Amino acid sequence: GAGVSQSPSNKVTEKGKDVELRCDPISGHTALYWYRQSLGQGLEFLIYFQGNSAPDKSGLPSDRFSAERTGGSVSTLTIQRTQQEDSAVYLCASSLWGSPQETQYFGPGTRLLVL
Amino acid sequence: GDSVTQMEGPVTLSEEAFLTINCTYTATGYPSLFWYVQYPGEGLQLLLKATKADDKGSNKGFEATYRKETTSFHLEKGSVQVSDSAVYFCALKSGGSNYKLTFGKGTLLTVNP
Repeated sequence: GAGVSQSPSNKVTEKGKDVELRCDPISGHTALYWYRQSLGQGLEFLIYFQGNSAPDKSGLPSDRFSAERTGGSVSTLTIQRTQQEDSAVYLCASSLWGSPQETQYFGPGTRLLVL
Repeated sequence: GDSVTQMEGPVTLSEEAFLTINCTYTATGYPSLFWYVQYPGEGLQLLLKATKADDKGSNKGFEATYRKETTSFHLEKGSVQVSDSAVYFCALKSGGSNYKLTFGKGTLLTVNP
């Protein structure tokens, strides 16, 4: 079936604006993950969903970041009052159950640029 | 906490050369280990994985063996091609945090004809 999809693929915004990034996981995958890829920090884990609940939000860098998942499927990552340091590629991944042995399948990412 | 250290790049090789990218890790419990690859302009793709000690993951001519005694998972390929040019990431998932991947910083490989 189709892989993980993300939208938009690119987003340019002005500092202080809010942005929403969308992730559509592989159908039937219960676990969903958000990561951020930036030049300075490499690949960082942000948040994990098992179904619609997020057991671990510890990777979110500040309270300006939030995420939700509805219907056990689509997830939205929201960044409020964006700052220039939020510029990065935001990656979404999904896996069937979330167990350690499973492969996480990544989407193409959303490239965010905050001016 | 969990961490992955991989060889700093960039690595530049000629076609048909032998490739090794070193990766060592620190983790709680018995982690699963992964190599992901990111080709230019594309997303992260799983290259290979190993879920227990002494397992060997292999794909597309690449291999890596899970060495618990040395906490390593080095990536090797006997003869690289220009099409292997990409960024390679070593990663783990440990029993202590069995949902998230912890990544190394990535190694840029360029293969020249």
